[in-house]
Amino acid sequence: GAVVSQHPSWVICKSGTSVKIECRSLDFQATTMFWYRQFPKQSLMLMATSNEGSKATYEQGVEKDKFLINHASLTLSTLTVTSAHPEDSSFYICSARGGVGDWPYFGPGTRLLVL
Amino acid sequence: DAKTTQPPSMDCAEGRAANLPCNHSTISGNEYVYWYRQIHSQGPQYIIHGLKNNETNEMASLIITEDRKSSTLILPHATLRDTAVYYCIVSRNTNAGKSTFGDGTTLTVKP
Repeated sequence: GAVVSQHPSWVICKSGTSVKIECRSLDFQATTMFWYRQFPKQSLMLMATSNEGSKATYEQGVEKDKFLINHASLTLSTLTVTSAHPEDSSFYICSARGGVGDWPYFGPGTRLLVL
Repeated sequence: DAKTTQPPSMDCAEGRAANLPCNHSTISGNEYVYWYRQIHSQGPQYIIHGLKNNETNEMASLIITEDRKSSTLILPHATLRDTAVYYCIVSRNTNAGKSTFGDGTTLTVKP
């Protein structure tokens, strides 16, 4: 099956710093990528949808200036958590879809801990 | 997208079939049923999806009722590695990936 990778797999940073998470589709071109956040013992929450070459669409309640998403190529999307705070500590997961009608494949997730 | 209802937890004996139900009574005609699972601390893994016919692949079978208001995911011979949270999602295929993940069913396979 299709493979989606994320880097880094975990990151610890100090409060106030920015963290960039990469999501790559390794063996297919992803026209659409999705970013989710998951807090402990909770389900996945969709944060935003990004289409290659266009601005991301954010879900209600997600601050677009805090969670910057770039989808500059068909195989790479990045999520930057700007000025991270402890409440941003979470498991961030991306998924990628090759085309409309394709089912998305998920990355392994990135665990962020903000001290 | 239609809302789904799943039992919060289920147990299954190793080697036996695990039958995970999902209710989606408000499903529309163009909405698919997708199943994913999430093993602890990993990203969700796609299992199977279907529109109205029953589907089978190397991982599981999906049985959709004739009125499409409910479905059952069947893992024919559950192993300890199948212990995970299983999510049933209903979505138009053009919306796949943008759908809401509910709370899912935590399946525990016991030796």
